[in-house]
Order: sequence, then structure tokens, then C-alpha cells
Amino acid sequence: EVQLVESGGGLVQPGGSLRLSCSASGFPFTDAWMSWVRQAPGKGLEWVGRILSKGGGETTAYGAPVKGRFTISRDDSTNTLHLQMNSLEIEDTALYHCTWEAVAGVSVHWGQGTLVTVST
Amino acid sequence: EIVMTQSPATLSVSPGERATVHCRASQSVGSNLAWYQQKPGQAPRLLIYGASTRATGIPARFSGGGSGTEFTLTISSLQSEDFAVYYCQHYNNWPPWTFGQGTKVEIK
Repeated sequence: EVQLVESGGGLVQPGGSLRLSCSASGFPFTDAWMSWVRQAPGKGLEWVGRILSKGGGETTAYGAPVKGRFTISRDDSTNTLHLQMNSLEIEDTALYHCTWEAVAGVSVHWGQGTLVTVST
Repeated sequence: EIVMTQSPATLSVSPGERATVHCRASQSVGSNLAWYQQKPGQAPRLLIYGASTRATGIPARFSGGGSGTEFTLTISSLQSEDFAVYYCQHYNNWPPWTFGQGTKVEIK
């Protein structure tokens, strides 16, 4: 069974940093292309970014609102995906989901998410 | 960035009736279009990818159509468990991918 479990969310002040993690199991993580998708409270879905597998050069891509502030990385030795978030803004407040692109570009499997709140 | 526009924002349908959700892309995305369903308090669930291919375990009453810039998601006979919010998402070429703003299908 595919499992994606996010952690690391919490309350942070504007300008602060936070690192999210996603523990993956039940599928070949080493070969997986992974994404982060977020959802602000009461709002729609927003694509954050993605990372290809090592075989794909661990190439990353980001949405415009987070480019230059967020960094996606992976640790294949522990089957863990990370999202480093710097210079956080109030608008970054959201539930952050880790997803597995079992079909390239398509978030076939989703974690339940971890909540990030940026507030004074 | 490609903008995805869904219509209507809310769709009121009686159980057993047909529901159709529309999604328009600001430029062609070929058939690189997915549909997701989200219920309150739950993570989204993939319904359709490749514009018309049902994901594993998705009932046949869900169907997707279209290509280029115009797409539809049709639920042939709404069941109680289908009342939810539906999102389209393009994944054409290279990121960034974008989602539509969502369509809430509610009980009439």
C-alpha cells in the first residue's frame, strides 16, 4: 500500500523558515517523481513544485509564487522528500501535500498534508 | 503560465442526475489534463488523467473528454458520495502545472 506521511508543519513568523518532510513507503521511491501541492484554508489547490528521480538528475521545478524561496530535495536512502521553505510570507499559510507522480505530471497518490501557518 | 478556468463555480444537481463540469485552458495542453475529486477534510483523489483515462478504482460513471483547450468531466448518474469539489489540472510539457479554481457539486 502506498503511504505518504508529511511532517514538520507548524506556526512560523513572516520571514522565517520551515522544513517539511514526507516519508514514503509502498512504492519504489528511488525511481519516483515527487511533487508538493498546497491548499490555503478554504481555497483551491496550488502546485508548489516537483523533483525528478536521481535518474532524471533530481531536476526540480517550482511555481512562480515560491520560486527562489522554496527548495525541494530528496533522500533516497530514507525514502524521504523534503521541502525547505525560506522567507515565508503570510500567503504561504496552507496545508502542504506530498504527492507521487506515478504518471508523469499527475499526482496519483497524495499524503494527508501538514499545516503551515505563517503569522505574527 | 497556463491559466485553467472551470465552470460553473457551483453545480446543484439531484441524485441520479447527470453533472458536467467544464475546464478551459488559456492555451493548448493537448490531452495532458487531469481531474481530481476532493471531499471535506480529505486529500484530493485522482479521477481522470490523459483527459479521458479513468484512474484505478474509479467508477465508470465518471468520464472525461476534450483536448486542446476545452475539457469536460461528466458524472453520468450522481451518487450521494459524489457530492464534492472537483479540480482540473494541466501537466502539459514542462512545469509549472496549474489547477482550475474548483467546482463544487452540491445536492439540489
